[in-house]
Amino acid sequence: AQSVTQLDSQVPVFEEAPVELRCNYSSSVSVYLFWYVQYPNQGLQLLLKYLSGSTLVKGINGFEAEFNKSQTSFHLRKPSVHISDTAEYFCAVRNSGGYQKVTFGIGTKLQVIP
Amino acid sequence: NAGVMQNPRHLVRRRGQEARLRCSPMKGHSHVYWYRQLPEEGLKFMVYLQKENIIDESGMPKERFSAEFPKEGPSILRIQQVVRGDSAAYFCASSPPATVSSYNEQFFGPGTRLTVL
Repeated sequence: AQSVTQLDSQVPVFEEAPVELRCNYSSSVSVYLFWYVQYPNQGLQLLLKYLSGSTLVKGINGFEAEFNKSQTSFHLRKPSVHISDTAEYFCAVRNSGGYQKVTFGIGTKLQVIP
Repeated sequence: NAGVMQNPRHLVRRRGQEARLRCSPMKGHSHVYWYRQLPEEGLKFMVYLQKENIIDESGMPKERFSAEFPKEGPSILRIQQVVRGDSAAYFCASSPPATVSSYNEQFFGPGTRLTVL
């Protein structure tokens, strides 16, 4: 069975400051990893994904994440946040290959303070 | 190319009524997934369907919940005799057919927010 842990339920950060949203996962097999963003009353939008290859993954809106297999982590970072980044962010994992269920973390609410 | 469509976006039901949630996948996608997001929680997988087949329903509650994806028309998630605990956001995702070695991304709809009074 897989699981995803997002330790921070809420992260307040000032505008133009850097931010890191933490994600750890557990799985006994190779995985794909994802970060999704959810704006209020909207669906999920894929920010970035790790399938294989380079462990540093760049996504949309200036976000990036680094896959660390030894620490089973996939932390999301942005060097300078904007007000428009205020949203909820979900880390997700699934086993690689074919159809597999996606397991989501409980989410981290990023609040960007002007 | 329109994205995944869900309707209604908001649905209010009284306890004991039925709720029917619809999901139209993206063009060319034959696989549909339903997820439930309870307040202050992440998304939880419910069911995975292909046209006319339920592939994985391991996340579906055993009673009152059912899902279908007919040959024609949208996928339907049906909740009978709703209770307050069913209040949640229900998201549908669609993907193209999966193969053993390929990655098939799931694209999410905007969700249906069900409120049970």
